[in-house]
Amino acid sequence: GNSVTQMEGPVTLSEEAFLTINCTYTATGYPSLFWYVQYPGEGLQLLLKATKADDKGSNKGFEATYRKETTSFHLEKGSVQVSDSAVYFCALTASQGGSEKLVFGKGTKLTVNP
Amino acid sequence: EAQVTQNPRYLITVTGKKLTVTCSQNMNHEYMSWYRQDPGLGLRQIYYSMNVEVTDKGDVPEGYKVSRKEKRNFPLILESPSPNQTSLYFCASGRRGWDVDQPQHFGDGTRLSIL
Repeated sequence: GNSVTQMEGPVTLSEEAFLTINCTYTATGYPSLFWYVQYPGEGLQLLLKATKADDKGSNKGFEATYRKETTSFHLEKGSVQVSDSAVYFCALTASQGGSEKLVFGKGTKLTVNP
Repeated sequence: EAQVTQNPRYLITVTGKKLTVTCSQNMNHEYMSWYRQDPGLGLRQIYYSMNVEVTDKGDVPEGYKVSRKEKRNFPLILESPSPNQTSLYFCASGRRGWDVDQPQHFGDGTRLSIL
């Protein structure tokens, strides 16, 4: 079946540190891949996406590249800020009733200290 | 403003007392879905609806009911809540199940505590 595995948290970094959150997936066919972010007390927001192999999604300084050969979609940011503290979810699309649904990883909590 | 609105945001109640969590979207989306979020488990889909009067089970439907009488509303019903349904619940909507250019929009969540 379709599944997403992301690194266990929590992750604690100092401001301006480099961030990597690993995400690997198992899927039939060619899913699209996403990173969602959940700030404290809020719902999920789409952070970035990639729809085919070698695509790079980017937003707010975050990047992730769709690697089909390693079935990975790792999230990176060169210099994190306190405001990046949140829970990050990796997700993929899966077929559902003639349409598609999102399958989420378990989430990784990031805390950035000043 | 495009919104998915859930109510209530917080609820503490007791085992067996029926409750309904409402969800409303103003984007004319066909697809709506309910998730629960639990520590260490991420988001798991409870039920989804492809359109009015069309609903189906997700991954963890036991103990829940839904209805879709109107396009904009998708209430989640717990007929006889139990403590294992204590969780953070999210409603989401999307134009057509999922669309690469129009991903699902999520509500701000409802935190349920069943004592």
